[in-house]
Amino acid sequence: GAGVSQTPSNKVTEKGKYVELRCDPISGHTALYWYRQSLGQGPEFLIYFQGTGAADDSGLPNDRFFAVRPEGSVSTLKIQRTERGDSAMYLCASRDRADTEAFFGQGTRLTVV
Amino acid sequence: KQEVTQIPAALSVPEGENLVLNCSFTDSAIYNLQWFRQDPGKGLTSLLLIQSSQREQTSGRLNASLDKSSGRSTLYIAASQPGDSATYLCAVPSNTGKLIFGQGTTLQVKP
Repeated sequence: GAGVSQTPSNKVTEKGKYVELRCDPISGHTALYWYRQSLGQGPEFLIYFQGTGAADDSGLPNDRFFAVRPEGSVSTLKIQRTERGDSAMYLCASRDRADTEAFFGQGTRLTVV
Repeated sequence: KQEVTQIPAALSVPEGENLVLNCSFTDSAIYNLQWFRQDPGKGLTSLLLIQSSQREQTSGRLNASLDKSSGRSTLYIAASQPGDSATYLCAVPSNTGKLIFGQGTTLQVKP
């Protein structure tokens, strides 16, 4: 595609529910990143994929968070037993190689009520 | 551990003024630095990528410089316009490849 696409753009869920956030990277980009951003803060790293494998998942806050990229393209961020503190903008980015420009999607605004 | 700092956190200027945004990083062993713009409630838009071998990169009214040895980058915006109002973020890659961001500078350009 022309850019990184994230769906849904907005998600409201009840506390304790399970949610999935989807990221479609730019075609051919092998690196894919997930970030979380709270209001007034810079993006906080969650996980980085190189191809199908997670090259760095050190940013996942706890075992309720999980992400997959089974075919090295689309990625899904999964959050179990959501908590109000999970409310944030979730951002996805992709790039071709580590030394090239990273491009971000428009984000998914998650609200846990 | 790489840390990225952006000062000031907020900046307000009158239209037409030239301005400089600052980004500093603690580990100078980087291979590039990227500047982004973020409008409220939106994703990040890439402005400039400057490689470690470069000292400057220009795009329109924007000019980014990089001084690896001092751990600093600046983003210069010429002849600012109200449409430039946004949050500006800089990011550097860690040794594992993830991008590490500063907290951003929120710019307001008053008409």
